[in-house]
Amino acid sequence: DAKTTQPTSMDCAEGRAANLPCNHSTISGNEYVYWYRQIHSQGPQYIIHGLKNNETNEMASLIITEDRKSSTLILPHATLRDTAVYYCIAITYGQNFVFGPGTRLSVLP
Amino acid sequence: NAGVMQNPRHLVRRRGQEARLRCSPMKGHSHVYWYRQLPEEGLKFMVYLQKENIIDESGMPKERFSAEFPKEGPSILRIQQVVRGDSAAYFCASSSATGRHGYTFGSGTRLTVV
Repeated sequence: DAKTTQPTSMDCAEGRAANLPCNHSTISGNEYVYWYRQIHSQGPQYIIHGLKNNETNEMASLIITEDRKSSTLILPHATLRDTAVYYCIAITYGQNFVFGPGTRLSVLP
Repeated sequence: NAGVMQNPRHLVRRRGQEARLRCSPMKGHSHVYWYRQLPEEGLKFMVYLQKENIIDESGMPKERFSAEFPKEGPSILRIQQVVRGDSAAYFCASSSATGRHGYTFGSGTRLTVV
């Protein structure tokens, strides 16, 4: 699996967009980028995933650079309930998910 | 349309007792994964199972820990002779055969060893 690098922590004002970066410079052609989050003491929650095209769903948008070496998860209007640890994982289908330390996002009132 | 069901939610065991954690995957999912999260630490992969088969147990401690996913019934993570260091949150996840849509996680079992 490609190693991913994320900032340890970030703050975001409530109502503003939260942009969470992830570097995956060694990603291979068949590895997808997945994002999960874990709200305090709950099970991880799937957010979104993509291969090379930008993706959007009801929770977030995923922007993947053309060279696929980095991506950004965008929460368009962050709320206090979005405070969580966000994990970026690069993986091929069928492999086990390995969670790194992630980014601790704090949404501030 | 139940998700991944784990029980019990909380489990207290005395040192030396056995702990059994159960996980029922999402309907239609045939792959189960167990993760452990120690207090203030990240999620660590333990084991990956399909029905009646252990596919990858590279994250399982060599002693006292075992897992199964029988043909009928939930997956079981069993910890024998628990010690205080086993106190953690244990999460189960399931996926379809392709894993195309990632994992769906349960709410976890919080094990406390006293």
